[in-house]
Amino acid sequence: EDKVVQSPLSLVVHEGDTVTLNCSYEVTNFRSLLWYKQEKKAPTFLFMLTSSGIEKKSGRLSSILDKKELFSILNITATQTGDSAVYLCAVEDAGGTSYGKLTFGQGTILTVHP
Amino acid sequence: GAGVSQSPRYKVAKRGQDVALRCDPISGHVSLFWYQQALGQGPEFLTYFQNEAQLDKSGLPSDRFFAERPEGSVSTLKIQRTQQEDSAVYLCASSYGLAASYEQYFGPGTRLTVT
Repeated sequence: EDKVVQSPLSLVVHEGDTVTLNCSYEVTNFRSLLWYKQEKKAPTFLFMLTSSGIEKKSGRLSSILDKKELFSILNITATQTGDSAVYLCAVEDAGGTSYGKLTFGQGTILTVHP
Repeated sequence: GAGVSQSPRYKVAKRGQDVALRCDPISGHVSLFWYQQALGQGPEFLTYFQNEAQLDKSGLPSDRFFAERPEGSVSTLKIQRTQQEDSAVYLCASSYGLAASYEQYFGPGTRLTVT
């Protein structure tokens, strides 16, 4: 059974701090790892990672995947109060007929204080 | 506003009632997913449709849960004889293609509370 574990479960920082969110996974047939940001409603897509060692960046956010160690990190630099959200990590299993089926971790609750 | 929409946004049901939750995916999206998100947890997969075909229903927790997408567009998740453990947010997502390389767009969810 596919499994995703995120840490820490919650994190409180001040504006301007840099944070690192962790995601470890077990999946039978790995296709991709995805990061989502969830505020009070729908998760919104941040990154999709398929290859080890290639950093993806979007503004102050970046992410990298280590397929050997089954691990990914999400970095947020110069945090702002608008970054406060739940950050979800998910893996996609390539096996079976359900392409795109995602297994999510529990999420990391990030709170950024002014 | 061409995003995924869900209705109702909130539903309170008495234990034993039947409920129907609706999802309107983005027009032209082939894939449609239903997820269940309990409080403080990540979403959990329920079922997957490719057009009108339900290809995977392995995540449905019991035979009280039923989903359909008869014309390959709008989908309905039905829960019969609701129980308190069914209380959760039910998320619908759609994507253009058949794999996560096509981004899954999530709807705002329906928050179901069973009393």
